[in-house]
Amino acid sequence: DGGITQSPKYLFRKEGQNVTLSCEQNLNHDAMYWYRQDPGQGLRLIYYSQIVNDFQKGDIAEGYSVSREKKESFPLTVTSAQKNPTAFYLCASSPREGYNEQFFGPGTRLTVL
Amino acid sequence: AQSVAQPEDQVNVAEGNPLTVKCTYSVSGNPYLFWYVQYPNRGLQFLLKYITGDNLVKGSYGFEAEFNKSQTSFHLKKPSALVSDSALYFCAVRDISGTGRRALTFGSGTRLQVQP
Repeated sequence: DGGITQSPKYLFRKEGQNVTLSCEQNLNHDAMYWYRQDPGQGLRLIYYSQIVNDFQKGDIAEGYSVSREKKESFPLTVTSAQKNPTAFYLCASSPREGYNEQFFGPGTRLTVL
Repeated sequence: AQSVAQPEDQVNVAEGNPLTVKCTYSVSGNPYLFWYVQYPNRGLQFLLKYITGDNLVKGSYGFEAEFNKSQTSFHLKKPSALVSDSALYFCAVRDISGTGRRALTFGSGTRLQVQP
């Protein structure tokens, strides 16, 4: 069964802690993306990666970090430097060519206590 | 730079009536355009896309969209709305030139409410 998985579905974090969100895909896609969704603000791009061992900052990269050591995996770390991390986080992947649609995972809802 | 505007936060329509969800875009070159739908606490599902060719694009669940280059618009339409169409709809754009950001830019979303 091909697709994108994100874990966990719900995540609670204390202030000052780093936390890592998992994203895995078995679609053999080169490109992967992380978005943050807040009510009324749509999706904002955090980081994206077009190929293994390479990634670029999106619009709101401050306080976040990523790695792309494997084609299938693109974990996102929310650091303590992120001032307002409570949000719904969506991971996506696509073939590298720009005319291809992105496929989205089910999302992780992060709440800072 | 690329951007998308969805001017309506919410659209209300009665079941069986036609629906339109508006989207306008801005890119430096030519666009790739996409529509996605999101149900509560779920990821986004792809509906349809415009790449090139016929300006009227047909997609999943009876939805279609019309690309209008002169008005820089890509409105989503459906001839007869269903209550199950109630969801959050996102328009997205990517510049075809590929010289800018190699990722989609999304609009703020439009909530569609279909009343029985």
